[in-house]
Amino acid sequence: AQKITQTQPGMFVQEKEAVTLDCTYDTSDPSYGLFWYKQPSSGEMIFLIYQGSYDQQNATEGRYSLNFQKARKSANLVISASQLGDSAMYFCAMRESDSGYSTLTFGKGTMLLVSP
Amino acid sequence: EAQVTQNPRYLITVTGKKLTVTCSQNMNHEYMSWYRQDPGLGLRQIYYSMNVEVTDKGDVPEGYKVSRKEKRNFPLILESPSPNQTSLYFCASSFIGQNSPLHFGNGTRLTVT
Repeated sequence: AQKITQTQPGMFVQEKEAVTLDCTYDTSDPSYGLFWYKQPSSGEMIFLIYQGSYDQQNATEGRYSLNFQKARKSANLVISASQLGDSAMYFCAMRESDSGYSTLTFGKGTMLLVSP
Repeated sequence: EAQVTQNPRYLITVTGKKLTVTCSQNMNHEYMSWYRQDPGLGLRQIYYSMNVEVTDKGDVPEGYKVSRKEKRNFPLILESPSPNQTSLYFCASSFIGQNSPLHFGNGTRLTVT
């Protein structure tokens, strides 16, 4: 079974609108961390936001926020006020304590295209 | 500047010719890892290291070797590359911990003909 599932291969959004990128995860570990990365067409991997399994509040970083629903095992990334520069591939990833917090397991990604 | 440096950025080689992709980090991270990225498959872990002289297999280790003789360096070795190893490779490092994000190098695009 996949540990990280991103069901949207591609998403389209208009500039200035908000968009939600879905991520569900599978773990029996009570302690884990969830991460989102952005990969623009230039190829580098950029860390966006982190959510810990015990965090009471949803994480926010500027225009990025994480809609964390622990019971549903979902950690959706919300980008508010989309910009053309947000066009990129987005990856959700998880780090579990039973791997010694070693391995970061990635989903297959969602390609976001922002149109003017 | 804190960074992960991997070289080369682009590499074209022929089947069977041994190659090494270098990776170095200057953040004193204990953990280092190699991933390959292929279309539709996301990032898959090849090998990782929790500390000097400690390495372990990831999900797709076949055909690859690594070593961790120094904390800052974690080279990826392809002893006999094959065309199915054509991919985009990333080195990454972090502190060990639930909330430690991976810091990635800029990637190495490898083509094996």
